Amino acid sequence: SQQGEEDPQALSIQEGENATMNCSYKTSINNLQWYRQNSGRGLVHLILIRSNEREKHSGRLRVTLDTSKKSSSLLITASRAADTASYFCATRDSGGSNYKLTFGKGTLLTVNP
Amino acid sequence: NAGVTQTPKFQVLKTGQSMTLQCAQDMNHEYMSWYRQDPGMGLRLIHYSVGAGITDQGEVPNGYNVSRSTTEDFPLRLLSAAPSQTSVYFCASSYDWRVDGYTFGSGTRLTVV
Repeated sequence: SQQGEEDPQALSIQEGENATMNCSYKTSINNLQWYRQNSGRGLVHLILIRSNEREKHSGRLRVTLDTSKKSSSLLITASRAADTASYFCATRDSGGSNYKLTFGKGTLLTVNP
Repeated sequence: NAGVTQTPKFQVLKTGQSMTLQCAQDMNHEYMSWYRQDPGMGLRLIHYSVGAGITDQGEVPNGYNVSRSTTEDFPLRLLSAAPSQTSVYFCASSYDWRVDGYTFGSGTRLTVV
């Protein structure tokens, strides 16, 4: 069953603009992770944020986590054509089944040159 | 380090045939897992292992077997292929699944006819 749900399903922007993707989830989590997948490739881990953290940065990426709203956002600043990919959030439950990392269905980001 | 290596990259099977998808990692990761990715479904966990000799089922284990005789290898066996198993299969590993992100292989695209 899906835990994280990304929004929007697809996003098209111009190079240089910022891109924001959102993720909502249903249960208490230990951590939330964001991954990128280029077409036809495997997923690449971008960033992990723990349940006791509210914001995390990595280069042009900024992730926020609001556990009271059970939501997270991924902001990519000054986007480039090379950022074109699908982006997935994944959650690890804080409960007994926390061995499992549950992925959402992803947001397809297109950055136009 | 080669990371996570999956073979083959592509495979076509006839209904009822069996085969093994190979996954190997050279990062001394204890945790390994298999996911399948289908359009509109995101990634779903098939089986996982928290160390050599230890395996368990994920959310869609039917029709698949795994074993973990070494830390490095985690093969996925399809016992009797069905068209419903047509998918892209990803192997992923992690040093400490509780706090680390996953490293993914490049995937195996399987078609069952």
